Amino acid sequence: EIVMTQSPATLSVSPGQRATLSCRASQSVSSDLAWYQQKPGQAPRLLIYDASTRATGIPARFGGSGSGTEFTLTISSLQSEDSAVYYCLQYNNWPWTFGQGTKVEIK
Amino acid sequence: EVQLLESGGGLVQPGGSLRLSCAASGFTFSSYAMSWVRQAPGKGLEWVSVINDRGGSIYYADSVKGRFTVSRDNSKNTLYLQMNSLRVEDTAVYYCARSFAAWGQGTLLTVSS
Repeated sequence: EIVMTQSPATLSVSPGQRATLSCRASQSVSSDLAWYQQKPGQAPRLLIYDASTRATGIPARFGGSGSGTEFTLTISSLQSEDSAVYYCLQYNNWPWTFGQGTKVEIK
Repeated sequence: EVQLLESGGGLVQPGGSLRLSCAASGFTFSSYAMSWVRQAPGKGLEWVSVINDRGGSIYYADSVKGRFTVSRDNSKNTLYLQMNSLRVEDTAVYYCARSFAAWGQGTLLTVSS
């Protein structure tokens, strides 16, 4: 099983500042990596797939990069509504596996 | 608009069984792989099972293998998850997902005596 490790566990960022979230895979997943945003009481929402492709309707301030084992989700200018938990998912090998999540807080 | 509506959750005793359903609309159901994902209260996400478009290729997480069975009825645009020998640790919100993209709102399963 591929282990996905996200860092940091919690990120506190001021509005308008950049937030950088990391996700590391225990072995290469190529570019088969997705990012999700989850707010309390809601289902996860797909932000990024194939490591860097924004899903339909996702604002341009969300960007994904990386390949192989190292991936980054960047929120270029944090908005109050971006407060949430963010998960990465590898879908290169079964079982598909999630990271443990990064909680983004607004300062 | 893609819509996925889960149903069938509830309270079950340990060792019991339950079947979840997911009614799909707004897309060609028979063309997509479908998945079940779960989230225990206050915890992260766990992929439970995936079934390909025709039902011929199925995967399960080790935690549910041998106890859960995923199936689909393409004529009814519906995905199922038959859960047997339920354990307390199966307590979670169960989400239906189109591949890994669109998700339903989830249905809560509580396993408790």
